[in-house]
Amino acid sequence: QKEVEQDPGPLSVPEGAIVSLNCTYSNSAFQYFMWYRQYSRKGPELLMYTYSSGNKEDGRFTAQVDKSSKYISLFIRDSQPSDSATYLCATRGEGAQKLVFGQGTRLTINP
Amino acid sequence: AAGVIQSPRHLIKEKRETATLKCYPIPRHDTVYWYQQGPGQDPQFLISFYEKMQSDKGSIPDRFSAQQFSDYHSELNMSSLELGDSALYFCASGLGDQPQHFGDGTRLSIL
Repeated sequence: QKEVEQDPGPLSVPEGAIVSLNCTYSNSAFQYFMWYRQYSRKGPELLMYTYSSGNKEDGRFTAQVDKSSKYISLFIRDSQPSDSATYLCATRGEGAQKLVFGQGTRLTINP
Repeated sequence: AAGVIQSPRHLIKEKRETATLKCYPIPRHDTVYWYQQGPGQDPQFLISFYEKMQSDKGSIPDRFSAQQFSDYHSELNMSSLELGDSALYFCASGLGDQPQHFGDGTRLSIL
């Protein structure tokens, strides 16, 4: 079983919809949580970065971490066709170097 | 803003050949990370360097080696290439506990 589970999708929604992307993890030592966006043939681009539990908002994006249930979420409001990409959740422990990724969710926003 | 630079972007090799991938981190970042991403897979951590010393090691085959040089650029050396080594290889760099920023990767194809 993977340390970080993420539904690979694909997920297809109409433009303007609210998108909810989720991951679960098994290791309670994970403390840092990230969301990356990856376009085809490009590297992962950092979207959101949070430490421990809580919410963080940046423009149309909101990241939530619930350490009690080991559940992390990314919400995209007013979704745009340019948001179409693969979204990867990632996490690491305190003092750890490597990131552990989810499988990635392929998202398509339809005009 | 400067990003992580990787070269070459594409590399085609035959089985049993060697390959060298290069990474130039974001200026002043003190840590370099290497990841391997197979088709439809999430990135898997290979190895990292902090201040030119190996700091963590993941699922890197013995046929692979890496180093970080005095100018902080890093090279991933791969020998006795196998068909299964075909993948995207990403380099990321970071500073302290700040999140990792990824390059656009090198696509390695083994014929």
